[in-house]
Amino acid sequence: DQQVKQNSPSLSVQEGRISILNCDYTNSMFDYFLWYKKYPAEGPTFLISISSIKDKNEDGRFTVFLNKSAKHLSLHIVPSQPGDSAVYFCAARGAQKLVFGQGTRLTINP
Amino acid sequence: KAGVTQTPRYLIKTRGQQVTLSCSPISGHRSVSWYQQTPGQGLQFLFEYFSETQRNKGNFPGRFSGRQFSNSRSEMNVSTLELGDSALYLCASSLGQDIYEQYFGPGTRLTVT
Repeated sequence: DQQVKQNSPSLSVQEGRISILNCDYTNSMFDYFLWYKKYPAEGPTFLISISSIKDKNEDGRFTVFLNKSAKHLSLHIVPSQPGDSAVYFCAARGAQKLVFGQGTRLTINP
Repeated sequence: KAGVTQTPRYLIKTRGQQVTLSCSPISGHRSVSWYQQTPGQGLQFLFEYFSETQRNKGNFPGRFSGRQFSNSRSEMNVSTLELGDSALYLCASSLGQDIYEQYFGPGTRLTVT
């Protein structure tokens, strides 16, 4: 039972353009959502989070949007830079644990 | 402040053996979680410890176990290794009783032959 899903295994975006990564969840009890970035041979690094009582949170080039009615989360990166190339995981908190999606590999092309 | 450290970084074992992985959380962090990452499966939650107590356990067989010490350091053990246990094992720590952001270590790459 995959409670958090990232349906796009990969995404390719041109440098300078917007990258949009999507995430869907099924459990309405999730109350906190996070995005992590992972480079090869490293652990995931926390990027940005949002509480379920909000619909948007912004931090520099990164903005997370939450649509509770659609149970949908998205991460916008503007403008995209080559260093953003990595695997991105969304995660949702429920019952004092984080449930992760399968990840989306983002490639930024020069 | 030092980050989460995991030892060893790489490990090769044969089927049937057992293995112990170690995790030292960020100083002051009291919660430690363990995850298994395999290609296409994302991060699968193994278990979480807070103040030496296991608070949560994922859907893994009893061959997977863990513990946390009074200094918050944690170990996980896998007995009777199977080929399918080959994966990256990640440890993450967070500050308090409520889990918000977790900070991950670099992981231990386990290969079972």
